[in-house]
This record gives sequence, C-alpha cells and structure tokens, in this order.
Amino acid sequence: QVQLVQSGSEVKKPGASVKVSCKASGYTFTASYIHWVRQAPGQGLEWMGRINPNTGATNYAQNFQGRVTMTRDTSITTAYMELRSLTSDDTALYYCAREDYCIDPWGQGTLVTVSS
Amino acid sequence: DIQMTQSPSTLSASVGDRVTITCRASQSISSWLAWYQQKPGKAPKLLIYKASSLESGVPSRFSGSGSGTEFTLTISSLQPDDFATYYCQQYNSYSQITFGGGTKVEI
Repeated sequence: QVQLVQSGSEVKKPGASVKVSCKASGYTFTASYIHWVRQAPGQGLEWMGRINPNTGATNYAQNFQGRVTMTRDTSITTAYMELRSLTSDDTALYYCAREDYCIDPWGQGTLVTVSS
Repeated sequence: DIQMTQSPSTLSASVGDRVTITCRASQSISSWLAWYQQKPGKAPKLLIYKASSLESGVPSRFSGSGSGTEFTLTISSLQPDDFATYYCQQYNSYSQITFGGGTKVEI
C-alpha cells in the first residue's frame, strides 16, 4: 500500500535550518507530486508547496518563497523539505502528502521545535 | 490566492445529531474541493474529494455537496468517533492549494 514515512522530531535554534525527509513506498515515486503542509500548535493547516519527483520542478506558497527548498532523491524514493532562518513561529508539525486524485495519503508528521 | 472560509469554527453537538459544515471559496473552484477529518496528533484523513465523492472506506453517514463557491459537509447521524476537527481544501490548482480554517466538532 502507499506509505509515506517521515524523519523524526527536530529541535533547532532560531536562525538555523531544518531538513525533513519523506520516504515513499508502494507506488511509482516519480509518477506523483509530493506536497508539504504544516500545522502550528493548536492552529490550522498551511500549504507550503509541492515538488514533481520526476523533474524536480517546484511550486512554493508565497509565504515561504525564498526560505524553503524542496528536493528529492529518486534513487531512494525520498522527498525533502528544507526551511531556513527558523523562528519560533516555525514550530509546527510538518507533513508530506502524495498528490493523486486528491492530496492523500499523508505522512505521520515531523515535529519541528524552534527554541533558544 | 483562493481564500477558503469555513463555518462554524466550533460546533457543539450530540451523538445522533445531523451536522452540517459550510465552506465558501473566494472564487469558483468548480468541484475541486476535499474534506478531511483530523484528530489530535494525527495526520488528516481524507473523507470526501471532488466535492461529493466518498473516499473508499469512509462511512456513508458522511456526504459532501456543492460546486462553484459554496460547499457543505454533512454527517447524517453523529457518532462518538466523529468528534474531531474538519477541514475543507481547494485544489482548483494543485500549485496553489488552500485550506479552510477548520471546524471543531465537540460534545
């Protein structure tokens, strides 16, 4: 079955960067976009962007332009999301999800905590 | 960007109640709307896609309707497992997805 497994929790200091991975299995990795969505504590869902694993082409949400980079490694069917210049406002659960007829399924989430 | 306005933000209901949640888009999105259920600490679970198509394995008490700018999610008879937060999501363009603010269904 289609599965997305994300890397573990991270604790970062303000100003640092974080790179979250999303390992895909159960389908042809290069056939479906991967999206990234985050959720701050007690808040709603915020779309960050997506990557085409076949070409590496990306679309980023305006709020993250210039601060986020999405990449992939097709040899290990893994997508990555790197967020730079972290502040406490970036403390959140970060999810990856596959684009098919909809955005589903989702990874289990990676908690990123930004604290001095 | 297309803005999604979801209402109400909180809904108090009882087991057996019929529950309706509304989502409005700032411009027409045809039927490119999905509904998700989320429980604390868990990833969102897809319930409805393309406005009214029930995802496989989702109970038939969930239904979706609407097109253009107005959409509804209905739970015909609320069950204990349905107390959760619900989000609408537009995917008129997969390159600029947006979510509604969420509706928490509580007792």
